[in-house]
Amino acid sequence: AQTVTQSQPEMSVQEAETVTLSCTYDTSESDYYLFWYKQPPSRQMILVIRQEAYKQQNATENRFSVNFQKAAKSFSLKISDSQLGDAAMYFCAYGGSQGNLIFGKGTKLSVKP
Amino acid sequence: DTAVSQTPKYLVTQMGNDKSIKCEQNLGHDTMYWYKQDSKKFLKIMFSYNNKELIINETVPNRFSPKSPDKAHLNLHINSLELGDSAVYFCASSQTSGSVAKNIQYFGAGTRLSVL
Repeated sequence: AQTVTQSQPEMSVQEAETVTLSCTYDTSESDYYLFWYKQPPSRQMILVIRQEAYKQQNATENRFSVNFQKAAKSFSLKISDSQLGDAAMYFCAYGGSQGNLIFGKGTKLSVKP
Repeated sequence: DTAVSQTPKYLVTQMGNDKSIKCEQNLGHDTMYWYKQDSKKFLKIMFSYNNKELIINETVPNRFSPKSPDKAHLNLHINSLELGDSAVYFCASSQTSGSVAKNIQYFGAGTRLSVL
């Protein structure tokens, strides 16, 4: 069975600084996708970024980028130029053959002004 | 227009009651899901339907019964509510391509269920 681990329950960053959120996963599948979702206090789940496992190039979306290390089964999220609106829970998720997403336990990110 | 809409957003009820949560998506997707987020924020799949057919049924008490009248709707009915059912329930949808969950899942705003 696939598992997703986020080892940082909470993280804090100064506004305009850079922060990296960690995620590791375990799978025996070769074809899968990885996602980062953001959940602000409004509770809405918002997709931040998606990575296809067969692509070596790391995905980027504006200030958000990932460091995907397939052999190490690692998928970290880097947020550059952090903004107050980035404060939220961040979930790493695995999408494989079963069709549903398997989530990590989340990292609560605080942004200090 | 909201892509995935759930009703109600909040549901407060007594133990033993029966309640339903409705979900509708207007994205034309063929797969819909129910996830449960517990008090520690952990999200876990409960059910998924593809074109009205049940695909995933995790180890959920049989008091929970999903129903999909068409591929745009997936409702969740819960019988004999218990204190432990208190959680946030999320509906999501995606367009599947093959069997790998590669496509983006769009989530509803969630329904916070409180059982007293």
